[in-house]
Amino acid sequence: KAGVTQTPRYLIKTRGQQVTLSCSPISGHRSVSWYQQTPGQGLQFLFEYFSETQRNKGNFPGRFSGRQFSNSRSEMNVSTLELGDSALYLCASSSAGGESPLHFGNGTRLTVT
Amino acid sequence: EDQVTQSPEALRLQEGESSSLNCSYTVSGLRGLFWYRQDPGKGPEFLFTLYSAGEEKEKERLKATLTKKESFLHITAPKPEDSATYLCAVEMARGNKLTFGTGTQLKVEL
Repeated sequence: KAGVTQTPRYLIKTRGQQVTLSCSPISGHRSVSWYQQTPGQGLQFLFEYFSETQRNKGNFPGRFSGRQFSNSRSEMNVSTLELGDSALYLCASSSAGGESPLHFGNGTRLTVT
Repeated sequence: EDQVTQSPEALRLQEGESSSLNCSYTVSGLRGLFWYRQDPGKGPEFLFTLYSAGEEKEKERLKATLTKKESFLHITAPKPEDSATYLCAVEMARGNKLTFGTGTQLKVEL
């Protein structure tokens, strides 16, 4: 069974630009969560989608948004990029959104210059 | 505020030298405690889920235990391939999001 796939693996953007990251969950998984990982803060929850609906949201500004499509694939968008947005963005999927463990992809490394 | 604290931050072991990693938490309504392993440049890999105090899970050289305030990840006779960052996370009753600790970076040397 294929794992969680995230594209692209690396991105370099300039302050003020916007970026879209993509995530394909494990086949059959309907819950997709996004996390930001930085050396100082560790892994922090951004949001979770289940059946195209956002069920949970972390404490991030409105510049961070996401969506989920009918095939469970998800995208995350960050607008008006800031230097502090440089991080590894991880997507995770689970089969039942809370009753089964999260399975993570290898992330998208975003660098903002 | 819900908190997860892992100790030590870093641990260096000789091959075969057993040890334990600690994860302490202050949360209300714990739904589950998770252990993950993360290798450089990769996403976290799921290891265990623990739901109630007294529960234990084992996988190869790893054994996870849970009390009401903390969890331990015991590593028996580690090998160099066990070198990784081990992350602990909790899931609270009020939501599906995980709160992670900052991890223990384990290095096992020959």
